[in-house]
Amino acid sequence: GAVVSQHPSRVICKSGTSVKIECRSLDFQATTMFWYRQFPKQSLMLMATSNEGSKATYEQGVEKDKFLINHASLTLSTLTVTSAHPEDSSFYICSARDFGTAEAFFGQGTRLTVV
Amino acid sequence: KQEVTQIPAALSVPEGENLVLNCSFTDSAIYNLQWFRQDPGKGLTSLLLIQSSQREQTSGRLNASLDKSSGRSTLYIAASQPGDSATYLCAVIAQAGTALIFGKGTTLSVSS
Repeated sequence: GAVVSQHPSRVICKSGTSVKIECRSLDFQATTMFWYRQFPKQSLMLMATSNEGSKATYEQGVEKDKFLINHASLTLSTLTVTSAHPEDSSFYICSARDFGTAEAFFGQGTRLTVV
Repeated sequence: KQEVTQIPAALSVPEGENLVLNCSFTDSAIYNLQWFRQDPGKGLTSLLLIQSSQREQTSGRLNASLDKSSGRSTLYIAASQPGDSATYLCAVIAQAGTALIFGKGTTLSVSS
């Protein structure tokens, strides 16, 4: 199946700093990617839809200025958590869909810990 | 608003048992349904994709069925093994370009 690579897998940062997470589709082009957040023992909650060459669409309650999304190419989307606080600590996962089959593939996830 | 429910939330079985995981969704107008596996602290691995026009898909010991009219899907795991222990997530999409909507998952534990 298709591969989506997410980097880094783990990051620890100090409160107030910013962290960038990359999501790449390795063997297919993704005009749309999705960013999810997952709390312990909870399901995935959609944060935003990342559209190549245009602004991301954020879900209700997700701060646009805190979670900056850039989708500069058909294979790369980035999520930047700005001015991170301990409550931003979570598991972030990206997804891309192969529009040939409409099957969704997920990255390995990024465990963010803000201290 | 589409809602996806998975039952049971957790399941423990001895090795070798056949088991069924259930998924229901409130809006039958789906584009497709996908089953995933998630190991602790890891991303999601796609198991089976069922298009809205299909009724089932099979991969190895896994079989997933879809009854769109009743808003239900089941994931059947044959001859369970300890390596099957993980959380299984069901997700649907309404249209081709939209995001997946997930259930909360069923955490499976298979003991040897």
